[in-house]
Amino acid sequence: DTEVTQTPKHLVMGMTNKKSLKCEQHMGHRAMYWYKQKAKKPPELMFVYSYEKLSINESVPSRFSPECPNSSLLNLHLHALQPEDSALYLCASSPLAGRSTDTQYFGPGTRLTVL
Amino acid sequence: DQQVKQNSPSLSVQEGRISILNCDYTNSMFDYFLWYKKYPAEGPTFLISISSIKDKNEDGRFTVFLNKSAKHLSLHIVPSQPGDSAVYFCAAPLGNEKLTFGTGTRLTIIP
Repeated sequence: DTEVTQTPKHLVMGMTNKKSLKCEQHMGHRAMYWYKQKAKKPPELMFVYSYEKLSINESVPSRFSPECPNSSLLNLHLHALQPEDSALYLCASSPLAGRSTDTQYFGPGTRLTVL
Repeated sequence: DQQVKQNSPSLSVQEGRISILNCDYTNSMFDYFLWYKKYPAEGPTFLISISSIKDKNEDGRFTVFLNKSAKHLSLHIVPSQPGDSAVYFCAAPLGNEKLTFGTGTRLTIIP
């Protein structure tokens, strides 16, 4: 298994809803990432988990709450989002945490629309 | 501060010809670079990488060249095929885990 999977593919939610994005990899990778990508912009890093512990939080608002229940799974819990949070949310993983030359492998993303 | 820059937002190339995508960087501490390809509504796919100890890395139709003195790298695709039409991002690790991306170049291959 050489892929990163993300569910759901599309999500539409209201500003008062609570929802979660899920990411899974079975490559034995020890680092997992959440990125946000707006149209015609590069991916922007949100969070990094290394060995299941949060190692980087890029000053992301608390309405985004990451969780890493185990080494294969990464969640992003969403609550009280704003319309400007609408974007493609990408998950990625890499073999070893803390090694800059490791390639990150991306999932297909979840297209989120906040109404 | 954009430390990795792709100054051409778009590029059109005839099928069969060479496509050259360029990337400039400002941080001389970068020692590893990656190219990703992205189709609409999909995640980026890793294409090819290069370490700063090399000035060229080749993988099939894809070759990346690195000019450290100019802080410039380029991706050559030859021959270009219709399936190469996508957005291409160059990226460099900033610190151990943070990947910083360029703004991307949309490549269109004309049949």
